[in-house]
Formats: sequence, C-alpha cells, structure tokens
Amino acid sequence: SQQGEEDPQALSIQEGENATMNCSYKTSINNLQWYRQNSGRGLVHLILIRSNEREKHSGRLRVTLDTSKKSSSLLITASRAADTASYFCATGQGGSEKLVFGKGTKLTVNP
Amino acid sequence: GAGVSQSPRYKVTKRGQDVALRCDPISGHVSLYWYRQALGQGPEFLTYFNYEAQQDKSGLPNDRFSAERPEGSISTLTIQRTEQRDSAMYRCASSLWWGRGFGTEAFFGQGTRLTVV
Repeated sequence: SQQGEEDPQALSIQEGENATMNCSYKTSINNLQWYRQNSGRGLVHLILIRSNEREKHSGRLRVTLDTSKKSSSLLITASRAADTASYFCATGQGGSEKLVFGKGTKLTVNP
Repeated sequence: GAGVSQSPRYKVTKRGQDVALRCDPISGHVSLYWYRQALGQGPEFLTYFNYEAQQDKSGLPNDRFSAERPEGSISTLTIQRTEQRDSAMYRCASSLWWGRGFGTEAFFGQGTRLTVV
C-alpha cells in the first residue's frame, strides 16, 4: 500500500522557475524523505526531515513538514533541465523503519 | 561493495516457474527493503529486514512471495509459480540503523526487471 499522495501528479515549468511539490500522508510518522528518479532508473535520496523538524534546506532544495496537517512540500529553486525527473515522498512509519512511498510527481523543466 | 547490487538485472521467465531475485546491500547496512515498482508508479513496499530478522512482510501480495536474509547481509526475494501480473521492476534498498524508528536514508539498487511470459 502507498501512504503518501503527491500533488500535482505532473508539473511542467521553464528553466529558472521554482517548482513546488506537495505530499500528504495519513498515519503517524517519524520522518519524511524525498527521492528523485530519472526516467525509471534508480531512486536517489534527496533530503530527510524528522517529525520534530519544520523546515530543512539542502542546496536548491527546501522541505517543509506540517505534522498537524500531515503534509510536506518540496521546493526546488532556480530549476534546471537536469531537474527533470519524478519526485517521490516516502514516510517512515512511527516506531519502525518501514518506508512507504507515494505515487510521485513528474517534473519537466523546459530549457 | 560501493552500492546496493541486485541480480539479475533482467529476468524473463515462463508462467508457473519460480524465480529468485538477489540483493547485496551496502556493507554494514542493517536495514534491507524490497519494493516492487510498476511503470509510472511509486515503489510499492513489500517487506523489510533488520539484520536477519524480517520485521514487516505486510506488503507481500500473497503466499507465493517470500524473502529471506539468513546471515543479515544478502537477501533473496522468491516468487513461486510466477504469474504475468508479477511482471514489474523489483527494487532493493538498504540503510544504516540508528535505533528503533529513527529512520535514515535508503540507498537503492538498480533493480531487477522481471517479465513473466
């Protein structure tokens, strides 16, 4: 089963613009992670935010977490064509290491 | 090894045959996960291990699917009496472990593409 639901399912922007993707989940979590996947290839970890954190930055990435709303957002600033990929949120289930992925947002950055 | 290694990369099998998919995690990684991913979808959780102990197998679709990690390192996902609906990419991931429910990043292998004909 998949817990996270990303929104939108697809997003198309121009190079240099910012991209925002959202993730909603249903159950208690201990952490939330974002992953990137290029064209059906391997998944690459981007960033992890713990349930007691509200915001985290890594380079051009900014992640927020609102546990009261059970939602997270991933912001990619100054996007590049190389950012074109599918982005997935994954939730670490409370009290375990189980990691459950959402269905993803397909981002296209046009040159 | 440097990363998570899965073998074979591609497997074509006839319906009704058994298949075994192998995952060699990053050395020292305690947690090992199996996922199945259909085209255009997110990875679907199957099962995970800490060391050799299978912690959660709630995602295994039915009793034709099983997994083991007997020595706490290499893991095998076995599908018995394969069916066409089992065709998918099967992905393995591993991670460090810092304590119960702490959560760390998972490193994924390149996957095994299974096709049942």
